[in-house]
Amino acid sequence: NAGVTQTPKFQVLKTGQSMTLQCAQDMNHNSMYWYRQDPGMGLRLIYYSASEGTTDKGEVPNGYNVSRLNKREFSLRLESAAPSQTSVYFCASSEVDNTEAFFGQGTRLTVV
Amino acid sequence: GEDVEQSLFLSVREGDSSVINCTYTDSSSTYLYWYKQEPGAGLQLLTYIFSNMDMKQDQRLTVLLNKKDKHLSLRIADTQTGDSAIYFCAEIYTGGFKTIFGAGTRLFVKA
Repeated sequence: NAGVTQTPKFQVLKTGQSMTLQCAQDMNHNSMYWYRQDPGMGLRLIYYSASEGTTDKGEVPNGYNVSRLNKREFSLRLESAAPSQTSVYFCASSEVDNTEAFFGQGTRLTVV
Repeated sequence: GEDVEQSLFLSVREGDSSVINCTYTDSSSTYLYWYKQEPGAGLQLLTYIFSNMDMKQDQRLTVLLNKKDKHLSLRIADTQTGDSAIYFCAEIYTGGFKTIFGAGTRLFVKA
């Protein structure tokens, strides 16, 4: 009963490096989301995918790209990491738009 | 723009009731959710209330919604140490993939 699985759990990058955060869900959900969580702030939506084959920008998309590889998987890519992207990243999925969202355990990313 | 505000910290003694408050600015949301985040974990939905309801009770949890004042509260009865976590309120807008989260209230439960 895995739910939403994110990898890696922790990552340290140097400024300018690239990396991809992976997310997979086994609940057959249509919608998937990437959020970032910063101290003293609520979660902010980076990108979402309403259904397989579609992706859209959220509140804070700059510096990120996403791929909805199939119904299960939704990846987040940082092409050139910046210290401002130091954050905890959460992937989530839901059956349809914004009904109960199930969250992964998060990826703690530090950019030095 | 839309905003959801919460106090950052709350400390209670074990066995007491906890009340976590949330205010919001936009009344066009469809649902209001309460999520719980334990250390090192993702958010877990605790309970929710439709925006046309005033109250919802679910075991130890009571959600009150005052639409006039745009105020939402979560009451946890008989608070336990296992309730120590960060609690987020969130406004959900269906049909637009928009969710506005508060910054979270960190609940400390003292034994």
